[in-house]
Amino acid sequence: GAVVSQHPSWVICKSGTSVKIECRSLDFQATTMFWYRQFPKQSLMLMATSNEGSKATYEQGVEKDKFLINHASLTLSTLTVTSAHPEDSSFYICSARVSGKGTYEQYFGPGTRLTVT
Amino acid sequence: GEDVEQSLFLSVREGDSSVINCTYTDSSSTYLYWYKQEPGAGLQLLTYIFSNMDMKQDQRLTVLLNKKDKHLSLRIADTQTGDSAIYFCAESDNQGGKLIFGQGTELSVKP
Repeated sequence: GAVVSQHPSWVICKSGTSVKIECRSLDFQATTMFWYRQFPKQSLMLMATSNEGSKATYEQGVEKDKFLINHASLTLSTLTVTSAHPEDSSFYICSARVSGKGTYEQYFGPGTRLTVT
Repeated sequence: GEDVEQSLFLSVREGDSSVINCTYTDSSSTYLYWYKQEPGAGLQLLTYIFSNMDMKQDQRLTVLLNKKDKHLSLRIADTQTGDSAIYFCAESDNQGGKLIFGQGTELSVKP
């Protein structure tokens, strides 16, 4: 149980195009999902908190118009990187918090590696 | 602001115990976690400890928490080559579930 999937697992896109990454909780409902970014050999940095049916909360320094987050259902959140640039190349990881459970009930997806050429 | 710090590397021999240390600054932390990340993969929750506990043991894993010094450690007994990975310490409050991660400790287990 408690499986989180991400799609795609890796993507290469050209500079200036947009890329959508999906995060799904497969066997539980998740009112809250989180999006993280991880650079090579570095820690995970929280980008935004996604709540089902409401606007995402972005961390300081994260451009909300560039990283569009939609959490339209209790099992799906999407991150769209708009007008991607090479500096957006990174490993993006989502996590999902089990609805109605404590904050420790949070599970991570396998990550999506984005390369912008 | 909140900060979580870890040493970056640890090398041990197979069969030895590994101890990975972490310090944090946020005194309102409610939960402290240890995650494992293998190359190119997401994070696997190994264990967590509630802030009013001193110790938690789960098979080969032992977590010690010194709340006064804001120090957390993870001990892996009988370390195996399959334990080679990056280990992240993280903390959260009891509100939104936002996790603050340390830099990660790369554990290398030599046969």
